[in-house]
Amino acid sequence: QKEVEQDPGPLSVPEGAIVSLNCTYSNSAFQYFMWYRQYSRKGPELLMYTYSSGNKEDGRFTAQVDKSSKYISLFIRDSQPSDSATYLCAMSPNTGGFKTIFGAGTRLFVKA
Amino acid sequence: DVKVTQSSRYLVKRTGEKVFLECVQDMDHENMFWYRQDPGLGLRLIYFSYDVKMKEKGDIPEGYSVSREKKERFSLILESASTNQTSMYLCASSYSDRGGGNTIYFGEGSWLTVV
Repeated sequence: QKEVEQDPGPLSVPEGAIVSLNCTYSNSAFQYFMWYRQYSRKGPELLMYTYSSGNKEDGRFTAQVDKSSKYISLFIRDSQPSDSATYLCAMSPNTGGFKTIFGAGTRLFVKA
Repeated sequence: DVKVTQSSRYLVKRTGEKVFLECVQDMDHENMFWYRQDPGLGLRLIYFSYDVKMKEKGDIPEGYSVSREKKERFSLILESASTNQTSMYLCASSYSDRGGGNTIYFGEGSWLTVV
């Protein structure tokens, strides 16, 4: 079993839809949770960063962490064609990034 | 904004060649990383460095070496390129410990094809 599981998709939604992207994990030591967005042939860029459980909102993006269920989510409201990308979850037990584990990524298509 | 710059975006090399991938970051980060990214396999850590001249093996170090002579620069070396090293290579950096900050910042990637 992988430490981090992420459905690769693809996920196709119409413009304006609410998108839900999810990851599950098995290591209860993870405390830092990140979401990255990666456009085709580009490097991943950090979208959201959350420490421990709870919600964090940034514009149209909301990250949720449920440590009791070992489940994290990224919600995108009012999705736009420019949101079409691969979204990678990432998590780590400590600072510095040494032990960061990445999900394989979910490919999202937002249709105009 | 954090800037991680990979000098070569697209390279084509022959089997057996020695290949250098260069990376520079401008945020005074202590840690630097090299990953490769392949379809279906996600991001896999090759090597990381937590200080000048210090390096640690990641999950897939075989066939690779690294060099960190200056804090801002981290090089990945393929001693003798092979076709199974055709991939996208991502350089990244992060702070060591800044009150919980743990985010990794990536460069744009270097697409290497070995023929």
